[in-house]
Amino acid sequence: DVKVTQSSRYLVKRTGEKVFLECVQDMDHENMFWYRQDPGLGLRLIYFSYDVKMKEKGDIPEGYSVSREKKERFSLILESASTNQTSMYLCATSGGPGTDTQYFGPGTRLTVL
Amino acid sequence: QKEVEQNSGPLSVPEGAIASLNCTYSDRGSQSFFWYRQYSGKSPELIMFIYSNGDKEDGRFTAQLNKASQYVSLLIRDSQPSDSATYLCAVRYTGTASKLTFGTGTRLQVTL
Repeated sequence: DVKVTQSSRYLVKRTGEKVFLECVQDMDHENMFWYRQDPGLGLRLIYFSYDVKMKEKGDIPEGYSVSREKKERFSLILESASTNQTSMYLCATSGGPGTDTQYFGPGTRLTVL
Repeated sequence: QKEVEQNSGPLSVPEGAIASLNCTYSDRGSQSFFWYRQYSGKSPELIMFIYSNGDKEDGRFTAQLNKASQYVSLLIRDSQPSDSATYLCAVRYTGTASKLTFGTGTRLQVTL
C-alpha cells in the first residue's frame, strides 16, 4: 500500500509567521503534489514536483514555495502566513508514466490567526 | 480553462438503492478518469479509475465512461449509510503531464 504522511494534522499559526508543511511518501513515486481544499472551491493545485529539485507552479502558487531535496519528501512553505491561507492542505503522490492515480496524505488543517 | 463539473448535491438515496453520480469534462482528448471518495474531515481515497469507453465494475461500484459525450459516471449499488460522503471526479487532461483536474464533488447522503 502507498503510504503518504504529513507532518501535522492540525496547525495554528499567527499572521506573518513562516510555516513549513512536510509530506513524506514511501513508494518511490516520482510525482508529488500540494493542494489546498476550501468549501465550494474544491481541490486547487498549488505546486507539483516531478523529480528531485524539479517543481512546477500549479493554479494558485502565490504566497507559497516548495522544496524537494529528496525523492520521498516534498515541503510546502508559506513565507509569511496570512489569514486567507487558512485551509486544508493535502499532499498527494503518483508514480511514473501510465500511472496517473494520485494517493493522498491525511491532510493538514492550518489556521492562521 | 479545463474544467470538471459535478452537481454539488446533496444527492439523497435510500439504503439499498442505486446512487448515480455524474461528471462532465471539457476536453474530448482527456485520457484518464478517476473517482475518489472523501469523508468529512478526511482526505480523498481512490475508488476506481477508468481509461476506456464503457463500463468498469469493482464490487458495488461501476464507473461508466462516454468520451463522445464527455461524461463519466459512478454507480453505487446497494447503497449503505457508510457510503455517505463527497465523491470527487478527476480528469487527466491531454498535455498536462501527471496533473489531475478535480471537480468540486457531489455530496451523497444514504438514508435509513
